[in-house]
Amino acid sequence: EIVLTQSPGTLSLSPGQRAILSCRASQSLTSNYLAWYQQKPAQPPRLLFYAASNRATGIPDRFSASGSRTDFTLTISRLEPEDFAVYYCQQYVTSPTFGGGTKVEIK
Amino acid sequence: QVQLVQSGPEVKKPGSSVKVSCKASGGTFGSSAIIWVRQAPGQGLERMGDIIPIFGTTNYALKFQVRVTITADESTSTAYMELRSLTSEDTAFYYCARGRSIAAAADAFDIWGQGTLVTVSS
Repeated sequence: EIVLTQSPGTLSLSPGQRAILSCRASQSLTSNYLAWYQQKPAQPPRLLFYAASNRATGIPDRFSASGSRTDFTLTISRLEPEDFAVYYCQQYVTSPTFGGGTKVEIK
Repeated sequence: QVQLVQSGPEVKKPGSSVKVSCKASGGTFGSSAIIWVRQAPGQGLERMGDIIPIFGTTNYALKFQVRVTITADESTSTAYMELRSLTSEDTAFYYCARGRSIAAAADAFDIWGQGTLVTVSS
């Protein structure tokens, strides 16, 4: 099983600041089969990116994602109030697994 | 636009079973996979297993292999997840989600159900 480690566990930032979230895989992800999701309280996850850097439909361009092999990054250039949430990465090289999540909270 | 609509909340006794449904509204599953993911209160996302309805093929996470059965009825575009021998540790939200790609169980998931809360309590 491929293990995904997300860091930091919690990010305390103010609106307007930049958020940088990390996801590290226990082995190389071929074809960069990594997705990012946003989850708000009492809601299902929402797909943000697939294949490491491909933005899903309707995702604002203040969100960007990059990375390859074992190291991946999600960046929110300027945090809006609606961006405070928990973010998960997920690999799909093999049977899907999820990282433990990064909570972006208001400082 | 396809939506996934799940069945309502359940309260179950320890040792019993629960069956959660996931219906495609406004469309069908197409050739996509359907994954089932659970989330215990305050915890992260955990894959339980998946099915490709057009093939009927299933794949279960090792942790749930003995206790879970995932099925799908293409005629009604409905998927089901049954979990047996429930304990309090199975109290969680259960989500279904549809894969982006064609016939790929390992996929990114772009359409999610609203979630079904299953509470296991004596």
